Amino acid sequence: AQTVTQSQPEMSVQEAETVTLSCTYDTSESDYYLFWYKQPPSRQMILVIRQEAYKQQNATENRFSVNFQKAAKSFSLKISDSQLGDAAMYFCAYRSVYAGGTSYGKLTFGQGTILTVHP
Amino acid sequence: EPEVTQTPSHQVTQMGQEVILRCVPISNHLYFYWYRQILGQKVEFLVSFYNNEISEKSEIFDDQFSVERPDGSNFTLKIRSTKLEDSAMYFCASSEARTAPQHFGDGTRLSIL
Repeated sequence: AQTVTQSQPEMSVQEAETVTLSCTYDTSESDYYLFWYKQPPSRQMILVIRQEAYKQQNATENRFSVNFQKAAKSFSLKISDSQLGDAAMYFCAYRSVYAGGTSYGKLTFGQGTILTVHP
Repeated sequence: EPEVTQTPSHQVTQMGQEVILRCVPISNHLYFYWYRQILGQKVEFLVSFYNNEISEKSEIFDDQFSVERPDGSNFTLKIRSTKLEDSAMYFCASSEARTAPQHFGDGTRLSIL
């Protein structure tokens, strides 16, 4: 079974600065998807960014980028020019690519990292 | 932008009672999921549903749980006889394909007394 670990329960950053959230995972599969989801106090889970394991290029979405290290099974999220609206719980998640077995599309989440942004 | 909607936002129920949590997935989506998040813990997968049947379920999803898509738009999670440990936030998600990103609703906070 796959596991996802976020070792930073809480992180903080000054507005306009850069912060990196860590995520490691364990899997025996060679192809899979990795995600970062944001959960603000409003509770809704919002997809921030997605990475496909077979793509070597790191995904970017505006101020959000990832550092995907497949051999190290590491998937960190970098938030540049942090804004007050970035304050939220951030979850790293894993999903298998292949149907069947024990992972038919389900997401496996890490424990989450609470990000505080200071003005 | 289309959204997944969940009702109610908060449900308070006596232990042993049945509860139904409702979700309206995005209209062209075909894959549906329920997750739960016990306070202070990680989000956990409960069940996935496709083509009117369960495609995968976790160990948490025991005989007390059931899912249904009764009318082609709603997707419900029923807990037959609630326990205190069922208190959690329950999230519904949907995706248009199995490999497409899952879109989540706002969640239903279930409190068992």
